[in-house]
Amino acid sequence: KQEVTQIPAALSVPEGENLVLNCSFTDSAIYNLQWFRQDPGKGLTSLLLIQSSQREQTSGRLNASLDKSSGRSTLYIAASQPGDSATYLCAVFSGGYNKLIFGAGTRLAVHP
Amino acid sequence: NAGVTQTPKFRILKIGQSMTLQCAQDMNHNYMYWYRQDPGMGLKLIYYSVGAGITDKGEVPNGYNVSRSTTEDFPLRLELAAPSQTSVYFCASSQGAPGEKLFFGSGTQLSVL
Repeated sequence: KQEVTQIPAALSVPEGENLVLNCSFTDSAIYNLQWFRQDPGKGLTSLLLIQSSQREQTSGRLNASLDKSSGRSTLYIAASQPGDSATYLCAVFSGGYNKLIFGAGTRLAVHP
Repeated sequence: NAGVTQTPKFRILKIGQSMTLQCAQDMNHNYMYWYRQDPGMGLKLIYYSVGAGITDKGEVPNGYNVSRSTTEDFPLRLELAAPSQTSVYFCASSQGAPGEKLFFGSGTQLSVL
């Protein structure tokens, strides 16, 4: 059974710090992995999608890496800003399950 | 560019009542999904559709029904609401297979009392 875990559940950092959010999954046979951002009272916004053949994807200050063999992905946020405060979720897609399986998310607070 | 539109944003139901959550997308996406999100949990798939006239169950379909008569619309029906259905409901769509980039609506917060 595919399970997705995100650690830590919550994180509070001062503005300007570089930070890493972690995502692990139990079944390494995935097609791809997505990182999402969720603001309070809003839907999810897809940030980055990494195919199983890729090692990383970058968008602006965000960099996501994927190590399929060890069942891990990290989301690196450079020079964090208060506007980065949100919940970040990862989700994996496996053909065997034919659906996205989500982690519970990491709630990030960046304070000035 | 509206994307995925959900209505209503909030709703309170009494036990045993029924309601329909509306979802519409204007991106001509083939795939549409309904998820529920409980506090501190990941999203759980309720139902999905791969095109007009085709729907299938997800992980937690009990107590819900869907239909897909057009490409644009994918309503979710709750019959005989129960407190266990208190949750935030999200509709999403993607152009292709479930692993492609998902676009989400802003959600419906439902309380069953």
